[in-house]
Amino acid sequence: ILNVEQSPQSLHVQEGDSTNFTCSFPSSNFYALHWYRWETAKSPEALFVMTLNGDEKKKGRISATLNTKEGYSYLYIKGSQPEDSATYLCAFLVQGAQKLVFGQGTRLTINP
Amino acid sequence: GAVVSQHPSRVICKSGTSVKIECRSLDFQATTMFWYRQFPKQSLMLMATSNEGSKATYEQGVEKDKFLINHASLTLSTLTVTSAHPEDSSFYICSAMGTDFSAEKLFFGSGTQLSVL
Repeated sequence: ILNVEQSPQSLHVQEGDSTNFTCSFPSSNFYALHWYRWETAKSPEALFVMTLNGDEKKKGRISATLNTKEGYSYLYIKGSQPEDSATYLCAFLVQGAQKLVFGQGTRLTINP
Repeated sequence: GAVVSQHPSRVICKSGTSVKIECRSLDFQATTMFWYRQFPKQSLMLMATSNEGSKATYEQGVEKDKFLINHASLTLSTLTVTSAHPEDSSFYICSAMGTDFSAEKLFFGSGTQLSVL
């Protein structure tokens, strides 16, 4: 059974502070790692699709890194804003399989 | 970006009734659609994968006669929970993608909260 772990499960951050959280996944048979942001009462929205070891992607104040050899990805948010409050999901795509395995998510709350 | 519309957003039904949930891709052709279920404080769990015009592929432990999936067109997939029971109460969400699964992100509906009394 493939296991994707995210930590922490929840996080409270003061507005303006930077934060990061982790996604751990199996290091074998890696094909891709996805990050999604899921705001309450909305649809999950894709942030990044990462495929190469050492990959770094950036979208505004949010960035992500990928280490496929050790099986982890970090998501960073710089200068947190209230609109960053959401659950952040990562999902692992196994080579040869047409499905994503999701972690439980990190629920981020930004305190004004 | 691409939009996936899911209806209804919330449904309450009596035990024994069937409930249909629709998932539509509004501005692209979804060759593949995925149906997930999420119990409180747990991950999104894949129930089945459906490709347009063919039978859905169900994950281990998901009853295909209980959860009927139809993907009759490139823009519409439906999930019918047949003879629903309280243990089927959960959050159901669909996602869709266009052509190349290996490179593309998923586009999600907004989910359906099913409560079976």
